[in-house]
Amino acid sequence: GENVEQHPSTLSVQEGDSAVIKCTYSDSASNYFPWYKQELGKRPQLIIDIRSNVGEKKDQRIAVTLNKTAKHFSLHITETQPEDSAVYFCAASIRGVYSGGGADGLTFGKGTHLIIQP
Amino acid sequence: DGGITQSPKYLFRKEGQNVTLSCEQNLNHDAMYWYRQDPGQGLRLIYYSQIVNDFQKGDIAEGYSVSREKKESFPLTVTSAQKNPTAFYLCASSIQREIAYEQYFGPGTRLTVT
Repeated sequence: GENVEQHPSTLSVQEGDSAVIKCTYSDSASNYFPWYKQELGKRPQLIIDIRSNVGEKKDQRIAVTLNKTAKHFSLHITETQPEDSAVYFCAASIRGVYSGGGADGLTFGKGTHLIIQP
Repeated sequence: DGGITQSPKYLFRKEGQNVTLSCEQNLNHDAMYWYRQDPGQGLRLIYYSQIVNDFQKGDIAEGYSVSREKKESFPLTVTSAQKNPTAFYLCASSIQREIAYEQYFGPGTRLTVT
């Protein structure tokens, strides 16, 4: 099955600086890559996602890049703010490839604890 | 925070007892999922369902069972066969199309078995 590796496990940056979190995946059939933010004790919430037919996507201070050849994707957060402090998870899905178009689950990385230092 | 709900928020059980976790959604989503989260770990897929009366095993289905009798509901039973049941359980749902869409998560149930 799919395997997703995420680095680093903890990232501490100064407020206003940029943060980058990297993930690799194993199955070249994966075609959907979401990023979730989870605050302590809360549910994960989608912050951005990218499909395999796109190399980069941006939403205000957040961007995601995808390199299909190398099988890795990254989350970039610019001008970090205290409210960006949380755990971030990357994930990959092989939706539709093996299940005739059905809804497959996501395979998650182990998460990155992002700490924004004031 | 409406849309997908889980109850209860906290659940305590004695070892050897089965326990059922509730998940309900009013988003009219066809697909529903159960994940387990352990401290310092990512989410791991237990079961998922694409349509009523059908479900598939995920990566860690052993010791769990599900049913999907209604579109809105996807309860998870943690059986006594599950060796390490203490965890944070998250239910999710998504629309069903040819390509992947966002999975919306419920608030989670924290299960403690002693």
